[in-house]
Amino acid sequence: GEDVEQSLFLSVREGDSSVINCTYTDSSSTYLYWYKQEPGAGLQLLTYIFSNMDMKQDQRLTVLLNKKDKHLSLRIADTQTGDSAIYFCAETLPNMEYGNKLVFGAGTILRVKS
Amino acid sequence: KAGVTQTPRYLIKTRGQQVTLSCSPISGHRSVSWYQQTPGQGLQFLFEYFSETQRNKGNFPGRFSGRQFSNSRSEMNVSTLELGDSALYLCASSQLAGGAKETQYFGPGTRLLVL
Repeated sequence: GEDVEQSLFLSVREGDSSVINCTYTDSSSTYLYWYKQEPGAGLQLLTYIFSNMDMKQDQRLTVLLNKKDKHLSLRIADTQTGDSAIYFCAETLPNMEYGNKLVFGAGTILRVKS
Repeated sequence: KAGVTQTPRYLIKTRGQQVTLSCSPISGHRSVSWYQQTPGQGLQFLFEYFSETQRNKGNFPGRFSGRQFSNSRSEMNVSTLELGDSALYLCASSQLAGGAKETQYFGPGTRLLVL
């Protein structure tokens, strides 16, 4: 079945690392995504990882994927106040019959204290 | 390249009315998906259009419908509005299905308030 779960809230100090966790249930997911949403705005794509990868790094962002445990994490190094937002984990299914459909977690509110 | 654009950005309607929202995808993108975001239900998939055909549909009542034009622009319509339809409606576009080219890019959303 399709289900994505995330912790609801994370608070960190400016300059520290943030780690946002996500678990998913559909083992056939091909791509897993992280999106960021600031107040009153749409979703900004941060990064994605293909399911046959373990890790992907993009500047301050590191994505780790443990396919066995169906666990995905997003690490933000040197977290800044501008990183305060809601972070959504999402999975997509591989079958063309499904077309494009993202299944989202509930979102993690990241609060960065200066 | 310009991003995904959605119009209008804000809308106030009353119960029983209908509403049409518009989405222009990124140039060259042929797939357009619609999502509803509410505090209670989070982000939920409404439907997806590809080459003017609805390819996938979420679990929403028939009051929610959409279409896609030959230039890939899409509209969604909600008839007989209910208070619970108040939400942020997000449109996303992607190049194709399959592989990384299915990565979806979102517009800023249309915030609908039903009174």
